[in-house]
Amino acid sequence: AQSVTQLGSHVSVSEGALVLLRCNYSSSVPPYLFWYVQYPNQGLQLLLKYTSAATLVKGINGFEAEFKKSETSFHLTKPSAHMSDAAEYFCAVSVAIYGNNRLAFGKGNQVVVIP
Amino acid sequence: DAGVTQSPTHLIKTRGQHVTLRCSPISGHKSVSWYQQVLGQGPQFIFQYYEKEERGRGNFPDRFSARQFPNYSSELNVNALLLGDSALYLCASSFDGQGTYEQYFGPGTRLTVT
Repeated sequence: AQSVTQLGSHVSVSEGALVLLRCNYSSSVPPYLFWYVQYPNQGLQLLLKYTSAATLVKGINGFEAEFKKSETSFHLTKPSAHMSDAAEYFCAVSVAIYGNNRLAFGKGNQVVVIP
Repeated sequence: DAGVTQSPTHLIKTRGQHVTLRCSPISGHKSVSWYQQVLGQGPQFIFQYYEKEERGRGNFPDRFSARQFPNYSSELNVNALLLGDSALYLCASSFDGQGTYEQYFGPGTRLTVT
């Protein structure tokens, strides 16, 4: 079954420093991978998606992620953290079973930006 | 354009009661999915509907049920509520429920069971 793993529930980063959130996937078929962000008391907002086109995917708010099949990874990065990046980030894989596209999420990373 | 809307935003129920949560998808989207997000965890898939038919069901007990209406809106029903059902319930819509189409999430309904 398809799944994703996110390590390190809380990630602290200084303002202006690199943001790196790790996601490893497990899939028996070519996966569709997504990163979502969740601000307090809100739903999930799509940051970016990988659907077997370019391996380097650019998303909103300056985020990007690189699909590496050899490492089964889809890590999320942003060169310079802003205070507004403080939120929870979820990696997800689309599990294509019987014609549906249910998402299997990781446990998430709570990002804290230190001024 | 309006995004995914959910109602109510917050709800407090007592153990044993039942609850109905509602979702309206983005205009033109025919697929609706429901997810449960317990505090501190990632969302867990409950149901997916496409063109009023159930396309998938997650590992949830039969107390959970859902349906989709001709206008593609959806209801999630939970019977015999337990304390463990307290969570944020998220609705997501997508164009046709296939893997390449991303899901857009609503703001969620926060359910508290006391």
